[in-house]
Parts: sequence; structure tokens; C-alpha cells
Amino acid sequence: GENVEQHPSTLSVQEGDSAVIKCTYSDSASNYFPWYKQELGKGPQLIIDIRSNVGEKKDQRIAVTLNKTAKHFSLHITETQPEDSAVYFCAASTEGDDKIIFGKGTRLHILP
Amino acid sequence: GAVVSQHPSWVICKSGTSVKIECRSLDFQATTMFWYRQFPKQSLMLMATSNEGSKATYEQGVEKDKFLINHASLTLSTLTVTSAHPEDSSFYICSASGIYSTDTQYFGPGTRLTVL
Repeated sequence: GENVEQHPSTLSVQEGDSAVIKCTYSDSASNYFPWYKQELGKGPQLIIDIRSNVGEKKDQRIAVTLNKTAKHFSLHITETQPEDSAVYFCAASTEGDDKIIFGKGTRLHILP
Repeated sequence: GAVVSQHPSWVICKSGTSVKIECRSLDFQATTMFWYRQFPKQSLMLMATSNEGSKATYEQGVEKDKFLINHASLTLSTLTVTSAHPEDSSFYICSASGIYSTDTQYFGPGTRLTVL
């Protein structure tokens, strides 16, 4: 089955700098890769997603890149702000399979 | 769009009682709903997947008689924790996916269950 590895587990970034979170997946049939942000005591919120027919997608300060050959995808947050502090989860799913497989999460701290 | 609600947001109950948690998709029809459990500082653990009008499919190791799931309509799924014990205390989160994007899951805000 699919396995998603996520790094780093914790990341501290100075406010205004960029943050990068990386994930790898094992199943070459995976074709959908969402990213979720979870604040303390709340449910995960979908912040961006990418499908396998696209190499990069951007939404304001957030971007995701996908390398299908290497089976890895990354989340990039630019001009980080205090409200970006949260736990971020990457995930992968395969067409026809309802489930999505989550990484273990990255706790992002934005330092003042 | 794609709003999912959960009720209650938190519940405290005595050991041995049953607790029902509701999950609703507010602005879309959810063909599939998912129930997750999350322990502190850990990732989400899928408990079961349910399709409207069908029996839920439980993940390995999840007791179906303890965690009863009902998905009676395209906007409502319920999780009932029967005969709750302290070890069932956790953060329970539902998600829903709709007709037009079957692989995108939208999550509810979660329910914090504490069993005394």
C-alpha cells in the first residue's frame, strides 16, 4: 500500500522568511496530493492540492511542486506570517481509492 | 463552499455510557464520509469509510461493534461510541467528499471526547 514520508517533523522559521516541507510517496499510481493545515484543537483545513498532470501550483504565498519521477512533492510558504504557525500534513491518494494516506505532519513555528 | 460541521465540539461522559457524534456536510452532497481519530501530536488515523445507504467499511483493528457508523443521508453521518471507556478519549474528526471531486476530503472541526 501507499506510504507517505514527511520531513521535517518540526520547522522554525523567522517571520518573513520561506518555509519548505517535503514529502515522498511510494505508490507510483498515486495521482492526487493535498496539503492540510491544522491549528490547535481544530480539524485539518485543505490549503492547496495538486494532481499528477501538473508539476506546480501556486495560490498567493503558497505553492506546491510535484516530481512524479522522484515521487516527491513539496509545500512552499513564502513571506511567512505568525498565523502560518500550525501543523501541516501532506497526503496522497490514488484514483479510484477513496482513502488518502497522510504523512506524520510538520509542526511549523514562525518566530517573531 | 465545502463546509463540514460536527456536533458536539466536545463531550465529557462517564465510563460505560454511549456517545453520538454528528457530521454534516452543509453545502454539498457527501457521497462518502470518513471518520478519523487523532491522538495528541500524531497524524490522523482512519477508522472507517461510509457511503450513503451502505454499511461502513472499517479499518483493521477498529471494532465495528464499538464504533457504530450510520450514513443515512448525503449530508449526515453519525459515529456512536458505545460503552465508552477512558481509553476511547480522543479527538474524533470526520471528513466528507462529494460527487464532483471524489478524492478531495473536507474536514469537520473535530469532537474532543473525554471519558471519565
